[in-house]
Amino acid sequence: ETGVTQTPRHLVMGMTNKKSLKCEQHLGHNAMYWYKQSAKKPLELMFVYSLEERVENNSVPSRFSPECPNSSHLFLHLHTLQPEDSALYLCASSQDERGITGELFFGEGSRLTVL
Amino acid sequence: AQKITQTQPGMFVQEKEAVTLDCTYDTSDPSYGLFWYKQPSSGEMIFLIYQGSYDQQNATEGRYSLNFQKARKSANLVISASQLGDSAMYFCAMRPSMEYGNKLVFGAGTILRVKS
Repeated sequence: ETGVTQTPRHLVMGMTNKKSLKCEQHLGHNAMYWYKQSAKKPLELMFVYSLEERVENNSVPSRFSPECPNSSHLFLHLHTLQPEDSALYLCASSQDERGITGELFFGEGSRLTVL
Repeated sequence: AQKITQTQPGMFVQEKEAVTLDCTYDTSDPSYGLFWYKQPSSGEMIFLIYQGSYDQQNATEGRYSLNFQKARKSANLVISASQLGDSAMYFCAMRPSMEYGNKLVFGAGTILRVKS
């Protein structure tokens, strides 16, 4: 059983909808991440939170809005998305953002389809 | 530029045989880290092995070993005695410098299929 859980696992939404992806980690980690995995493309880092403070925003469009209310929970709020935003969104956590080994613990992802 | 290249979109291997998955990297910093992750069909990324740029020996973890050739900037993953459960997508990743911390750069991945 993974220490990082993501809900929903699958989401279909129209371009005018507003939805949210949720991530919860049970590992006591201080850093959480959102990655986007599109078909045949490398994973793209979207956001990084360290101790609930956003430390990285990789030029992600404003239609993606992250929220980290505490060190165990991370949300990705979605609104007015485009079909090209369809992808697998992976949440990850690590002990801290400046770790030495760089081991990330991933959830199983939320498969998003934008119609 | 920090970049990871995996040139094999897909690989087949016979069960119980060894397989090598290729990875080359590019970074200008002398202190970096290299990682391999496995992604089964469930979607979860599973950490397999880590190699630091200053590590003298190649990393090994059970059936996984990393063939680290610093001069060639390659970090190939070797899986020995392949099992059916090894069928998955494999990603090579890099921490380009210490400043990057845990913000990893990933390659495009290689799909491995183990045949019985």
